[in-house]
Amino acid sequence: QKEVEQNSGPLSVPEGAIASLNCTYSDRGSQSFFWYRQYSGKSPELIMSIYSNGDKEDGRFTAQLNKASQYVSLLIRDSQPSDSATYLCAVNDQAGTALIFGKGTTLSVSS
Amino acid sequence: EPEVTQTPSHQVTQMGQEVILRCVPISNHLYFYWYRQILGQKVEFLVSFYNNEISEKSEIFDDQFSVERPDGSNFTLKIRSTKLEDSAMYFCASSELGPGNEQFFGPGTRLTVL
Repeated sequence: QKEVEQNSGPLSVPEGAIASLNCTYSDRGSQSFFWYRQYSGKSPELIMSIYSNGDKEDGRFTAQLNKASQYVSLLIRDSQPSDSATYLCAVNDQAGTALIFGKGTTLSVSS
Repeated sequence: EPEVTQTPSHQVTQMGQEVILRCVPISNHLYFYWYRQILGQKVEFLVSFYNNEISEKSEIFDDQFSVERPDGSNFTLKIRSTKLEDSAMYFCASSELGPGNEQFFGPGTRLTVL
């Protein structure tokens, strides 16, 4: 059974701080990793994808991947109240088409 | 910016009835997916579809469910003989490239089974 684990939170940070979100996955064959943002009652919105070990930056977001440790993280710099949402880690292996989601980490950014 | 659309946004049905949820994937995308999310739970994969056939399905996707691409733009999920536990948000997603590539989600259909 392929599993994706996330700390459910809530993670509370003040406006302007760095938010750090973590995810571990069980399937060592996993090849593709994604972070989605989901506002309450809305659908998942893709914010980052990462396929290789190391860091990938896009604006205020940085995704980090360590396949040896089976660990993916998302850093949000200069956090804004509008970043308050649930962040979903999703993993896909090369053999399958399915995305396996974690339960998500709820982030709360206070102004 | 192109986006996945879904109709209806909310569907209420009686237990035992059949429902059809509709999706229009992004126009140049070739891979289509259905996921569901029961309130308070994680997003769960149901089925993927490519070249007019199912590529992969989960244990959830049993004989009660079927998918179809009836024309060049629509992608549908049919749920026969609905049960109370089918109440959930159903998300359609599409991707331009195949396994392992980015999937873009529609706004979802909230299905309520009474």
